[in-house]
Amino acid sequence: EVQLVQSGAEVKKPGESLKISCKGSGYSFTSYWIGWVRQMPGKGLEWMGIIYPGDSDTRYSPSFQGQVTISADKSISTAYLQWSSLKASDTAMYYCARLGMGATGEFDYWGQGTLVTVSS
Amino acid sequence: QSALTQPASVSGSPGQSITISCTGTSSDVGSYNLVSWYQQHPGKAPKLMIYEGSKRPSGVSNRFSGSKSGNTASLTISGLQAEDEADYYCCSYAGSSTYVVFGGGTKLTVL
Repeated sequence: EVQLVQSGAEVKKPGESLKISCKGSGYSFTSYWIGWVRQMPGKGLEWMGIIYPGDSDTRYSPSFQGQVTISADKSISTAYLQWSSLKASDTAMYYCARLGMGATGEFDYWGQGTLVTVSS
Repeated sequence: QSALTQPASVSGSPGQSITISCTGTSSDVGSYNLVSWYQQHPGKAPKLMIYEGSKRPSGVSNRFSGSKSGNTASLTISGLQAEDEADYYCCSYAGSSTYVVFGGGTKLTVL
């Protein structure tokens, strides 16, 4: 069974750094792209970026380029999303999701989400 | 990049059919038959319902169907059921640089 299990909720202060994780299981982690999707409170889905764990090839949405860093450790089947300096506007639910084999935009399996709250 | 345009809300009675539209441009929906649709219940992760415009993943009811005409994709749900009440998002492949773009979401209410 394909599963993506994300790390738990985080409460941080503005300016702090953060790295959240997404562990894949039940499939060949290195053979599928993993994406990150943001959902701000009461709002829609926004694509942030994708990574291919096999070779760490990474693509970012122009809206998030330079704002976050996506990485992966294929030895432990885990993808990461990190911030160096959080802002209040980063408060959101963050989902990781696996791209289908064709890598043409459909996210076929999703993690349960990680809620990030940034508040002073 | 601009989000795809969806109606904010649609509604229907049990047993009826509804259609949710998703309008993009010639750079995304119009150029590729690669629109996917997601269902999201409150407090839950999104679930893939349709991919590549009209294909259903294993386990998704055949009451859900997808289509496209020009720059507009559509999701049709027939035989509405109470459990269909959720938010629905469309998403289109938009080329190797933009990659994907999501719609703003549609809230479906089953009356």
